Amino acid sequence: DIRMTQSPSSLSVSVGDTITITCRASVGIDRFLNWYQQKPGKAPKLLIHDASDLETGVPSRFSGSGSGTDFTLTITSLQPEDIATYYCQQYDNLHTFGQGTRLEI
Amino acid sequence: QVQLQESGPRLVKPSETLSLTCTVSGGSISNYNWNWIRQPPGKGLECLGDISSSGSTNYNPSLESRVTISIDTSKNQFSLKLTSVTAADTAVYYCARGRDYGSELDSWGQGTLVTVSS
Repeated sequence: DIRMTQSPSSLSVSVGDTITITCRASVGIDRFLNWYQQKPGKAPKLLIHDASDLETGVPSRFSGSGSGTDFTLTITSLQPEDIATYYCQQYDNLHTFGQGTRLEI
Repeated sequence: QVQLQESGPRLVKPSETLSLTCTVSGGSISNYNWNWIRQPPGKGLECLGDISSSGSTNYNPSLESRVTISIDTSKNQFSLKLTSVTAADTAVYYCARGRDYGSELDSWGQGTLVTVSS
C-alpha cells in the first residue's frame, strides 16, 4: 500500500499569510496527487488534481507542485474562508489520504 | 451538476451489518468510479473501496473481508455493506464520484454519521 505523510499536522496562521503544506508518498506516484479542503461538518472539496491543476472555481491563491514522492500545497494571501483541514490523496486502485493539516488562527 | 445523497440506518448494533445506499442525481452513473470513504469523529479519511459502472470493485485490504460494494445502474445507485461492525466502525460515511479513471474525487455526498452501539 502507498502511504501518504503530510506535514505539519497543524499550523497556526493569520489572514494574509502565505503557507505551505507538504505531502510525501512512500513510493513515486508521478504527478498523480490531489489536494482537498475540508471544513467542519462538510464533505471534502477537490482543490487541485494531478499535483498542480486547479479545479474549476478554486481561487488562484491556491497552487500545487511536485512530482514523484514530494508535493506541496501553497496558499498565498490566506483568507478567513481558507481556515480548514487540508488532505493530500493518491489513487492506486485505492484512495489513500494523508493524515491532514489543520489550519488554526 | 451531479449530486450524491447517502441513505440508510444511522444506528447499527455491534456484530450486525451496516448498509448504506448512495443515490446519484443530475448526471449518469456510467463512465465513472464510485467510492465509499469514511471518517471517524475527529479523525482522517479512509477509503473503503470503489466500484466502476461496469461493476469492477477494489476494496481496502484492511477491510476486504467485511466490505461489499454493489451498483444498480438502472436506479443510479450504488451501495455499501459492512459486516460484523464494532464501535470502531462509527464514522461519517461519504459516497463520492471518481473521475479520470477514478483518481480524482470530484463530487461528494454530504455524509451520514453511522453510530455502532447497542
